[in-house]
Amino acid sequence: DVKVTQSSRYLVKRTGEKVFLECVQDMDHENMFWYRQDPGLGLRLIYFSYDVKMKEKGDIPEGYSVSREKKERFSLILESASTNQTSMYLCASSLTGGTSYEQYFGPGTRLTVT
Amino acid sequence: AQKVTQAQTEISVVEKEDVTLDCVYETRDTTYYLFWYKQPPSGELVFLIRRNSFDEQNEISGRYSWNFQKSTSSFNFTITASQVVDSAVYFCALSGEYGNKLVFGAGTILRVKS
Repeated sequence: DVKVTQSSRYLVKRTGEKVFLECVQDMDHENMFWYRQDPGLGLRLIYFSYDVKMKEKGDIPEGYSVSREKKERFSLILESASTNQTSMYLCASSLTGGTSYEQYFGPGTRLTVT
Repeated sequence: AQKVTQAQTEISVVEKEDVTLDCVYETRDTTYYLFWYKQPPSGELVFLIRRNSFDEQNEISGRYSWNFQKSTSSFNFTITASQVVDSAVYFCALSGEYGNKLVFGAGTILRVKS
């Protein structure tokens, strides 16, 4: 079974803090993704990575950055957390190559910024 | 631009009722992929099905069935004889041919009461 793990289920941070969300997958997937989920908006893509050290902006990258130093690990960074970044953050991974493969998701991190 | 609409925000049914979750999509791609995911209260999205645009055959998996109609740009999901364990948020999603990106609908909350 594909396993995607996220470093925390719940996180509370203060405005202005730097926040790191970590994601690890164990299936040697090339692609990794970060989404945020908000009620009524579904999931929105923040960033994705298709290879080590490669990244592409998604639909809502502002206020976020990412890092992928190893194939299995993809980190989301909030340089200076703000209250409007309070949300559920979901990491996912998938295979790549010639078609659109299903993505496998981690359990999510519920981040509250006060 | 790609778009997915799940017009039903929330559905409540009594156990053993059949329920259909609607999904309407927009895309200009000739080749595309459609997905359904389930998000139970635990939070982790679970992949249910992937369908490519050239395969319009309906699919049945146990109590689950999917109806794909290109003519109406719809990919509806039916649960037969619903159970309390089916209570979850269900997301429909769309990707392009080399779909590294998924576009999600807003989700439908399904509540099954005993």
